[in-house]
Amino acid sequence: QSVLTQSPSVSAAPGQKVTISCSGSNSNIGNNYVSWYQHLPGTAPKLLIYDNNKRPSGIPDRFSGSKSGTSATLGITGLQTGDEADYYCGTRDTSLSAYVFGTGTKVTVL
Amino acid sequence: QVQLVQSGAEVKEPGASVKVSCKASGYTFNTYFIHWVRQAPGQGLDWMGITNPSSGSTSYTQKFQGRVTMTRDTSTSTVYMELSSLRSEDTAVYYCARGKSGYYYVMDVWGQGTTVTVSS
Repeated sequence: QSVLTQSPSVSAAPGQKVTISCSGSNSNIGNNYVSWYQHLPGTAPKLLIYDNNKRPSGIPDRFSGSKSGTSATLGITGLQTGDEADYYCGTRDTSLSAYVFGTGTKVTVL
Repeated sequence: QVQLVQSGAEVKEPGASVKVSCKASGYTFNTYFIHWVRQAPGQGLDWMGITNPSSGSTSYTQKFQGRVTMTRDTSTSTVYMELSSLRSEDTAVYYCARGKSGYYYVMDVWGQGTTVTVSS
């Protein structure tokens, strides 16, 4: 049972935009930076966003991140079929002295 | 190029131990932390702990305390994760991941994953 809650799934047509939310508390999101990871089944997860809104080299600006209070959001614009994957938020939880991932959101491109 | 290559799939009986390796290449091994993350079938990502390849120090999440041991061999740039007293719930894909430079909790390069099946 994760301490970070995400909606189970979102879907949209190619070219459209989706947003994925990640809800936590003051012991995690509220006082720590958030990262986002893309995970295609059978492959290694990929870092998309770190420090709430920074993109690693090679990640297109179609992916964006933001944080407000104890929630974080990942946005994907110009949706492509290759974006079909599971997306996880992650951050440090100070109370648990551990890193925690969100429950995951499956993105489907219609 | 920077990569982490993990050992192959394992099948273990309940109560046994498994040791998964993660060999680093393309960067200075002892300057980046290594995390271990697992994903059970149909479940999400689950962080297990972190090791500092330079000092050998480790930090494990409470869920695995007493059952997990993370070690390293600097001569071969390899990190190991050993999980003991295996039960069926430990059936999962286990990943190692490198901590991004300057960050303790950002994972920027991942291994390909090692499938561990626990079954009698």
